[in-house]
Amino acid sequence: NAGVTQTPKFQVLKTGQSMTLQCAQDMNHEYMSWYRQDPGMGLRLIHYSVGAGITDQGEVPNGYNVSRSTTEDFPLRLLSAAPSQTSVYFCASSYSRAGTDTQYFGPGTRLTVL
Amino acid sequence: EDKVVQSPLSLVVHEGDTVTLNCSYEVTNFRSLLWYKQEKKAPTFLFMLTSSGIEKKSGRLSSILDKKELSSILNITATQTGDSAIYLCAVEGTGANNLFFGTGTRLTVIP
Repeated sequence: NAGVTQTPKFQVLKTGQSMTLQCAQDMNHEYMSWYRQDPGMGLRLIHYSVGAGITDQGEVPNGYNVSRSTTEDFPLRLLSAAPSQTSVYFCASSYSRAGTDTQYFGPGTRLTVL
Repeated sequence: EDKVVQSPLSLVVHEGDTVTLNCSYEVTNFRSLLWYKQEKKAPTFLFMLTSSGIEKKSGRLSSILDKKELSSILNITATQTGDSAIYLCAVEGTGANNLFFGTGTRLTVIP
């Protein structure tokens, strides 16, 4: 199993550009989440999904969109990048709720918005 | 507003020392508390504590949940340089998949 994979590993954008961060898992997990990690702020939940076709907002959803058309994939879209979105982004998945089950994290995407 | 606070923010100890990391929380409809270890990249799961499982132990690491005090501690005995990492505390609250993370404690173990 590859576990949770994320692409790209690094990305530099200009303000106003859009892009999609890819996340895939091969463990047949229903639950998937996107977090951002900023210095001094810890991990903050952006969006999550409890199964294909079902998504919901987390703590900091503004400026991001998600979709879950398959169990395996959970892409995160930045609609119009802003410098405030410079961060490290982690995708995570678990078989059941993140608070009741081991959550597996991807290696992260480091995004810089100029 | 849901909140998770960890202390200290950072800690430097010598190999062989015992350390205690703290996590306190204010979360609506508490369901569970989790500890993660983050080295260079992604966090890895350590423990999950709930009302029905308030103490966990794995090797030199152990953790206790105090639901009355709304807090948890993570103990590491006989620390090794490989224990150097950021330790994250997260609490599950209301919502289908909602975890609130603290800012973490950066532990550095020097030989």
